Amino acid sequence: GAVVSQHPSWVICKSGTSVKIECRSLDFQATTMFWYRQFPKQSLMLMATSNEGSKATYEQGVEKDKFLINHASLTLSTLTVTSAHPEDSSFYICKAVAGRNEKLFFGSGTQLSVL
Amino acid sequence: GENVEQHPSTLSVQEGDSAVIKCTYSDSASNYFPWYKQELGKRPQLIIDIRSNVGEKKDQRIAVTLNKTAKHFSLHITETQPEDSAVYFCAAEVGNQGGKLIFGQGTELSVKP
Repeated sequence: GAVVSQHPSWVICKSGTSVKIECRSLDFQATTMFWYRQFPKQSLMLMATSNEGSKATYEQGVEKDKFLINHASLTLSTLTVTSAHPEDSSFYICKAVAGRNEKLFFGSGTQLSVL
Repeated sequence: GENVEQHPSTLSVQEGDSAVIKCTYSDSASNYFPWYKQELGKRPQLIIDIRSNVGEKKDQRIAVTLNKTAKHFSLHITETQPEDSAVYFCAAEVGNQGGKLIFGQGTELSVKP
């Protein structure tokens, strides 16, 4: 079946540094990528939607200058957490869509811990 | 925008009993409703989904029912087993924005042997 590879799976960084998370669709073209954040024991909260070649659409309350999303190709989308702080510590997960009404594929998730 | 409410937040059942989780949604244009099972630290796994053109769907011990008029849908797990223990999330697709899901708050299911 279709696979979305997400890296890294776990990252620990110092406060103030930036972290890049990558999601690659390995055997299909992801026209749309969704990025979610999940705090412990909470639900998945949609952060932004990105379409290949265009700017991402951010959900209300999500800082676009802090969470930089790039979807430069149909197989790669990246989320960069800039100037990370401890409150950014969370589980980040991408979800790829191949066209309308196609099945949705989650990445494996990235656990970010900011010290 | 779409809002999804899920209940209960925790559910404990004895092995072999049934478990029911309920969700309501607000966007009448939503047509796709998946259910996910998530184990600690792992990605959500799709376990069953339903589209608005049907009222019920079943896959072995798992079934989902949908009432579009009332805007609610439910997950039913029969003959529960300890390995069913996990957090379950319902979701609703936003209007016609293909693939954009809004998730419920989650239900932590515990199946006691």
